[in-house]
Amino acid sequence: GAVVSQHPSWVICKSGTSVKIECRSLDFQATTMFWYRQFPKQSLMLMATSNEGSKATYEQGVEKDKFLINHASLTLSTLTVTSAHPEDSSFYICSASDLTTGDHTDTQYFGPGTRLTVL
Amino acid sequence: AQRVTQPEKLLSVFKGAPVELKCNYSYSGSPELFWYVQYSRQRLQLLLRHISRESIKGFTADLNKGETSFHLKKPFAQEEDSAMYYCAPPNNAGNMLTFGGGTRLMVKP
Repeated sequence: GAVVSQHPSWVICKSGTSVKIECRSLDFQATTMFWYRQFPKQSLMLMATSNEGSKATYEQGVEKDKFLINHASLTLSTLTVTSAHPEDSSFYICSASDLTTGDHTDTQYFGPGTRLTVL
Repeated sequence: AQRVTQPEKLLSVFKGAPVELKCNYSYSGSPELFWYVQYSRQRLQLLLRHISRESIKGFTADLNKGETSFHLKKPFAQEEDSAMYYCAPPNNAGNMLTFGGGTRLMVKP
């Protein structure tokens, strides 16, 4: 099946710094990728939809100036957490779907996630 | 608006007992539903989708339009089934997922 990777897998940073998380579709092209956040013992929450070549669409309550999304190519989307604070500590997961296989287009393939800890 | 409800946050059963993870939806049009599973320290992955009518790892899920449900079932739970399970339909905006709240299944020996 399709593979989605994320880098880094975990990061610890100081409060006030910015952190970039990469999401790559390794063997397929994804015009749309999705970013989720998962707090401990809570469900995945969609943060934003990343569209290649255009601006991301953010969910209500998600600050677009704080969570910068860039979808520069069909295989790469980046999420930058700017001026990170301890409350931003979470598990960030991206997903994408492979639209070329003839498989059901709504099957999402998930990255392994990135654990962000802000001190 | 599309909505998925998983009423149970935690379900604890003994090994060998039947399992039913509940999922109810409010959805206009023809629902296309999925179950995802997240084992401890692993990525979220697709477990099954209703259109394929598959049985994966002994799990099945039947769409009940009358009850607007898509419950996940397994006749005999195994310890390795312990995980978080998410019910997810797509919404009309494309292939974006709106997850249910998730149900943590704990299978005790």
